[in-house]
Amino acid sequence: AQSVTQLGSHVSVSEGALVLLRCNYSSSVPPYLFWYVQYPNQGLQLLLKYTSAATLVKGINGFEAEFKKSETSFHLTKPSAHMSDAAEYFCAVSAYLSGSARQLTFGSGTQLTVLP
Amino acid sequence: DSGVTQTPKHLITATGQRVTLRCSPRSGDLSVYWYQQSLDQGLQFLIQYYNGEERAKGNILERFSAQQFPDLHSELNLSSLELGDSALYFCASSPTGTLNTEAFFGQGTRLTVV
Repeated sequence: AQSVTQLGSHVSVSEGALVLLRCNYSSSVPPYLFWYVQYPNQGLQLLLKYTSAATLVKGINGFEAEFKKSETSFHLTKPSAHMSDAAEYFCAVSAYLSGSARQLTFGSGTQLTVLP
Repeated sequence: DSGVTQTPKHLITATGQRVTLRCSPRSGDLSVYWYQQSLDQGLQFLIQYYNGEERAKGNILERFSAQQFPDLHSELNLSSLELGDSALYFCASSPTGTLNTEAFFGQGTRLTVV
């Protein structure tokens, strides 16, 4: 079985401050991990992915995430928040749900608000 | 632009009715996935098709069905609609039958059942 827990359904930061969005996963097989962003009335856009290469992954828009197997975590960070970062962020794990096909399981999402 | 196209963008229909949502995957992608996003359930995987065949099932109701056609586009059919079926329905595609890389998402179809 696989699952994703995102701590904090709402996170507020000031513009220019550090962004930290938390994600913990459980998976019975080596996971592939993703962060997606959803802007209002839009689809999901991939921010970054971990697929068993480097544990520190850099994504678009200045975001990065570190895969920590010992902590089963994949937290998303950005050194300096921008107003345009306000959106909902989803952590997802790809592992075997059934048969030989990996499937995506999403966390419940974290709404990021950036304050001026 | 992810390259995944979903139509229509919005759909309003009455309870008991049937609707069809359409998805065209990215060029070259063989897998199509359907997800439902609602406030109470979050993002739920419904079903996957790979090269025309059903590959995996998630939390899909019996009133819902899908298929993938030879040109690889997919349709999600929702019947005997209930108020609780109101949600955003996403289609995603990926190159292979297993998600060893990312899935690319469409803009979604917002279904409102009244």
